[in-house]
Amino acid sequence: GENVEQHPSTLSVQEGDSAVIKCTYSDSASNYFPWYKQELGKRPQLIIDIRSNVGEKKDQRIAVTLNKTAKHFSLHITETQPEDSAVYFCAASINTDKLIFGTGTRLQVFP
Amino acid sequence: NAGVTQTPKFQVLKTGQSMTLQCAQDMNHEYMSWYRQDPGMGLRLIHYSVGAGITDQGEVPNGYNVSRSTTEDFPLRLLSAAPSQTSVYFCASRDLGAGYGYTFGSGTRLTVV
Repeated sequence: GENVEQHPSTLSVQEGDSAVIKCTYSDSASNYFPWYKQELGKRPQLIIDIRSNVGEKKDQRIAVTLNKTAKHFSLHITETQPEDSAVYFCAASINTDKLIFGTGTRLQVFP
Repeated sequence: NAGVTQTPKFQVLKTGQSMTLQCAQDMNHEYMSWYRQDPGMGLRLIHYSVGAGITDQGEVPNGYNVSRSTTEDFPLRLLSAAPSQTSVYFCASRDLGAGYGYTFGSGTRLTVV
């Protein structure tokens, strides 16, 4: 089955800097790659997703890139703000069934 | 439109007890799933369903049962609770035909002593 690895497990940045979180997946048939943000004590919330027919997708300060050949995808957050502090999860699936998550990255943005 | 509703929010069980975690959605989503979240382990898929009467196993199904008799409800049953099942449980749903985003419930924090 699918296996998703996520790095780093923790990431500390200064406000205004960029943050990058990387994930690799094992099943070459996977074609859907979402990213979720989870604030302390809250439910995961979808922040951006990408499908395998697209190499990059942007939404304001957030972007996701996908390299199908290498089977890895990354989340990029620019101009980080303290409210970006949270745990971020990547995930992968085939046609969104059986969404498999990475182990999470705790992002801390210091003012 | 309440989205995905999970009950209870908190539960303490003794080892060997049974209980059912409830999940209901009012969005007419065909797909529903259960995850458990443990520190450092991310979200792990327990069971999922693509429609009423259809269920399948995820990554960590042992010790859990599910059924899907209606589109709205997807209960998760623990037949004989074990301390290893102490976790936060999330239910999630999505519409099979309209985009890929999952909607998560607010979670159930379960402690087995």
